[in-house]
Amino acid sequence: DIQMTQSPSSLSASVGDRVTVTCRASQSISSYLNWYQQKPGKAPKVLIYGASSLQSGVPSRFSGSGSGTDFTLTISSLQPEDFATYYCQQTYNTPRTFGQGTRLEIK
Amino acid sequence: EVQLLESGGGLVQPGGSLRLSCAASGFTFSSYAMSWVRQAPGRGLECVSGISGSGATTHYADSVKGRFTISRDNSKNTLYLQMNSLRAEDTAVYFCAKDVSWSYYDSRYFDYWGQGALVTVSS
Repeated sequence: DIQMTQSPSSLSASVGDRVTVTCRASQSISSYLNWYQQKPGKAPKVLIYGASSLQSGVPSRFSGSGSGTDFTLTISSLQPEDFATYYCQQTYNTPRTFGQGTRLEIK
Repeated sequence: EVQLLESGGGLVQPGGSLRLSCAASGFTFSSYAMSWVRQAPGRGLECVSGISGSGATTHYADSVKGRFTISRDNSKNTLYLQMNSLRAEDTAVYFCAKDVSWSYYDSRYFDYWGQGALVTVSS
């Protein structure tokens, strides 16, 4: 199985900050990397697919980059509604595996 | 509007069985692969099973292989997960998720998720 490792596991930031979350795959996954946001008690929501494509309806402050094994999710200016847990997921191979999550908290 | 509504969760004893259903609406159900993704309390996400649009191709995580069976009834727009020989470690919220692809093995990402069904395995 392809292991997905996110860093950091948790992060404290303030409204207006620029934040970056990293995801590393245990082998090359080309650009088959997605980012999801999950709020407590809710289902995940896709933000970025194919490493860098913004899902329809998602604010442009979210962006993704990377290919191969190293990927990043960037939030350019944090808003109050962005405090949540973020997961990366690879769809290069089965099983589709997720990272362990990055919890973004208010400083 | 796409909607996915899970049902069938509950409390079951170890070794017992449960069947989850996911009623879909707002899209052509048979045109898309579907998956079940679970989340144990306070933990991350795990894809446990997936199925192609036709139902001909299925996939299971090693953790549930031989115990869980995924199926779909395209005439009823419903996805199922039959869970047998349940263990305490199967306790989780189970989400059904719609893929953007027809083929499970061509899966790209999940664009819609249900609200989740809680399965608790305990004596």
